[in-house]
Parts: sequence; structure tokens; C-alpha cells
Amino acid sequence: AQTVTQSQPEMSVQEAETVTLSCTYDTSESDYYLFWYKQPPSRQMILVIRQEAYKQQNATENRFSVNFQKAAKSFSLKISDSQLGDAAMYFCAYRRGGATNKLIFGTGTLLAVQP
Amino acid sequence: AAGVIQSPRHLIKEKRETATLKCYPIPRHDTVYWYQQGPGQDPQFLISFYEKMQSDKGSIPDRFSAQQFSDYHSELNMSSLELGDSALYFCASSYLTHIQGWDTEAFFGQGTRLTVV
Repeated sequence: AQTVTQSQPEMSVQEAETVTLSCTYDTSESDYYLFWYKQPPSRQMILVIRQEAYKQQNATENRFSVNFQKAAKSFSLKISDSQLGDAAMYFCAYRRGGATNKLIFGTGTLLAVQP
Repeated sequence: AAGVIQSPRHLIKEKRETATLKCYPIPRHDTVYWYQQGPGQDPQFLISFYEKMQSDKGSIPDRFSAQQFSDYHSELNMSSLELGDSALYFCASSYLTHIQGWDTEAFFGQGTRLTVV
């Protein structure tokens, strides 16, 4: 069975600084996708970034980037120039290849941004 | 752009009552997923439908049932409600591209907050 682990229950960062959230996963599949979702206090689930396992290049979306280490099964999220609006719960998620497959979430990391 | 619509947004029910949650996927999306997120927990997969057929089943209690209708909207029916069913219920939708190597991500609705008292 696939599992997703986030070992940092809480993190804190100063505004304008950079923070990295960790995620590891376990799978025997070769075709899979990894995601970071943001859940602000409104509880809306917002997709931050996605990574296809077959792509060697790390995904980037504006201030958000990932460090995808396939052999180590590691998928960390780096947030640059942190903003107050980045404060939220961040979930790492895995999905086996095939668009109808379910997401498996990690336990989340609560990110606080200090002004 | 149209998003996933869930109704109602909030629902309060008493123990042993029945609740029905509705989900309207993004137009042309053929797959619907239901997730349950308890307080302080990560979302847990309940069930999914592709083209109106159940495609996968997770940790969904036997007291719950769901279906996807011809217009692709889905309903989650919950009977004999228990206090432990209090949670945020998310619906998400996606579509199958049939293009190898190109999967779409799931888009989430805003959730239905169910409180059982």
C-alpha cells in the first residue's frame, strides 16, 4: 500500500524568508503523481503544485518549487519570499497514475508566517 | 471558471438521523471523489465514481452510500448518523483524458461541514 509521511507537524517562517516542507512517500508503482495542497483557515483545498514521477525536472509555480528525489522517495516544497497569505495547513499527496485514482494524503504541516 | 459545487455548505443533524450531501462537478468532468476530513485530520478517501459507475471504494462505512447520476452530479447518503461522523466532507472532480502520460488533477469543492449532535 502507498503511504505519505509528513514529519513536520508545524513550521514557522518569517515574512519574506524561505521555508521548506518535507514529505516522503512509499510506493512500488512507477507511474504516479505527487501534489502539494494548501488548506487555509477557510478549509478550501487548493492545489499548489504537482509533479509527474516520470519527469526529472522539478516543478515550479511562481514562489513555490519542489525538490523531487525519486530514488529517495522524497518530495519537499520550498516556499520563497513567504507571505502572510501563505499561512495554512499544507498536505502532501500521492496518486497512482490514472486520472480516476484517489489521492492519498499525508498528515499535514501547519505553516505559520511571522510578520 | 466553474468550480465544484457542494451543497449544503453546513448541515446539523441529530444522532440516528439521515443526511444527503450533493456534489456538482466541473462541467465535462466525468469522475467524482468523496473525502472525509475529521477535526485535525487529513482527508480520507471514501468513494469515487467514473462515468456513473463506482470506480474505487475506501474507508466508507456501510451506513453510507453514494451514487453518480446521469448529469454527473453525485450524492452521498449517510444514515444512522453518529457523533463521529461530524467532519468536513469534500467532493472533488476530474476527467479522464485517455492521453497516455497526461493525467489531470482533481479539483475540490469547498466542502460540506456536517455536525452531528
